[in-house]
Amino acid sequence: QKEVEQNSGPLSVPEGAIASLNCTYSDRGSQSFFWYRQYSGKSPELIMFIYSNGDKEDGRFTAQLNKASQYVSLLIRDSQPSDSATYLCAVKDSGYALNFGKGTSLLVTP
Amino acid sequence: DVKVTQSSRYLVKRTGEKVFLECVQDMDHENMFWYRQDPGLGLRLIYFSYDVKMKEKGDIPEGYSVSREKKERFSLILESASTNQTSMYLCASSLQAGDEKLFFGSGTQLSVL
Repeated sequence: QKEVEQNSGPLSVPEGAIASLNCTYSDRGSQSFFWYRQYSGKSPELIMFIYSNGDKEDGRFTAQLNKASQYVSLLIRDSQPSDSATYLCAVKDSGYALNFGKGTSLLVTP
Repeated sequence: DVKVTQSSRYLVKRTGEKVFLECVQDMDHENMFWYRQDPGLGLRLIYFSYDVKMKEKGDIPEGYSVSREKKERFSLILESASTNQTSMYLCASSLQAGDEKLFFGSGTQLSVL
C-alpha cells in the first residue's frame, strides 16, 4: 500500500508567522503533488500543485518538492487566522487516482 | 470556474434502503470520482470513471456501485445501506487523464440509522 504521510497536528502558529506543513510519500515513481485546503464542514479546495523538484510560489504560498527525499512541503507566509484549516497533501503515484494524506490541522492564533 | 454539484447536503436513511447520491459537473471533465471521508481515515476512493459508461473500482468499492450514463453525471449507489456507510461523501472531477487537479463538490453527509 502506497503511503502519503502527514503529521495530524494541530500545528499552531501566531498570526504573521510562517506555517510549514510537511508531507512524505512512499512511491518513488510519484510524479504530481497537490495541496488542498479544507475548512471545517467544507470540501477540499486545490491551492497548489507542483511537478518538478524545487520551489513553486503563488502569493503567500510556496510548495517545495524534493523527489530524492520523497518529501513535499507547503509554506504559508504571513499566516492569517483565515488560514486555519486542515491541509491535505495528495500525490499521483503509480496508482489510478490521487492518494491523499490524512491532513494536518493548522491553527493561526491572533 | 468548475462547478461540481452534489444533489443533497444532508441525507438520513434507514438500514437496508437503496441510496442514490448524484453528482453533476459543468466543465466537460472526462474524469469523475467518488470519495468518502471519515475522521482519522482521511479521503478514500470508492469508484472512479474516465469516460461515459466506464467505471473502475477504487480502494473501498464493497457495498457501492456507480453509474455514468452521461459525461456530466456520476451517480453513487448504496445497494443496501448499512450503518458503517455513515460518512461524508465527496464527488470530484478532473479535466482528463494526465491532469489530476481535482475539483470537489460540496459533499453529502449521509447518516444511516
